[in-house]
Amino acid sequence: ETGVTQSPTHLIKTRGQQVTLRCSSQSGHNTVSWYQQALGQGPQFIFQYYREEENGRGNFPPRFSGLQFPNYSSELNVNALELDDSALYLCASSRLAAYEQYFGPGTRLTVT
Amino acid sequence: GESVGLHLPTLSVQEGDNSIINCAYSNSASDYFIWYKQESGKGPQFIIDIRSNMDKRQGQRVTVLLNKTVKHLSLQIAATQPGDSAVYFCAERPGGTSYGKLTFGQGTILTVHP
Repeated sequence: ETGVTQSPTHLIKTRGQQVTLRCSSQSGHNTVSWYQQALGQGPQFIFQYYREEENGRGNFPPRFSGLQFPNYSSELNVNALELDDSALYLCASSRLAAYEQYFGPGTRLTVT
Repeated sequence: GESVGLHLPTLSVQEGDNSIINCAYSNSASDYFIWYKQESGKGPQFIIDIRSNMDKRQGQRVTVLLNKTVKHLSLQIAATQPGDSAVYFCAERPGGTSYGKLTFGQGTILTVHP
């Protein structure tokens, strides 16, 4: 198992609400990337954080935002939730200069 | 544009057989490729990686082959075990500064029968 942890494990929200997901990176890793994985699909890159700044973004609207803290942990915030936001949200940490990304167990978000 | 796809969405093998999972990619600028294993209810687990300046890399019971001419990647698992049953994803990263942006394929379901 990796040292990447995520919370909560599961979450149920109503359309239009806001949600915050959390990730703690593996020791020694200073970069966190977030991915969305719909059922039966591969993960889709949302964005990456390095030194508390966004360092690359995928094709996701601005209502998906994030933060990285001085201890390298990170949050993913999603506003105005839509039914299609229901997915497994994965966090991956890495050393920026390294290529390997190590994933956490994910947060299963259900929007009703 | 970028895309990573898999030729075989499902693969069923007997315990002890060798398994081969294939993947096609379209971005010739990608300089790094990774195979991940994902078990039900878990996040993807790193298996093995390969850089574009290599054509083969071996790990414990696994080998990754990269054919840049035809933009093809494969994962070979020797002496497949029931614990190898999972969804396998290949992923690529474009060269340059996009360190975090991995593009994943749809996945291949590997089922190993005892």
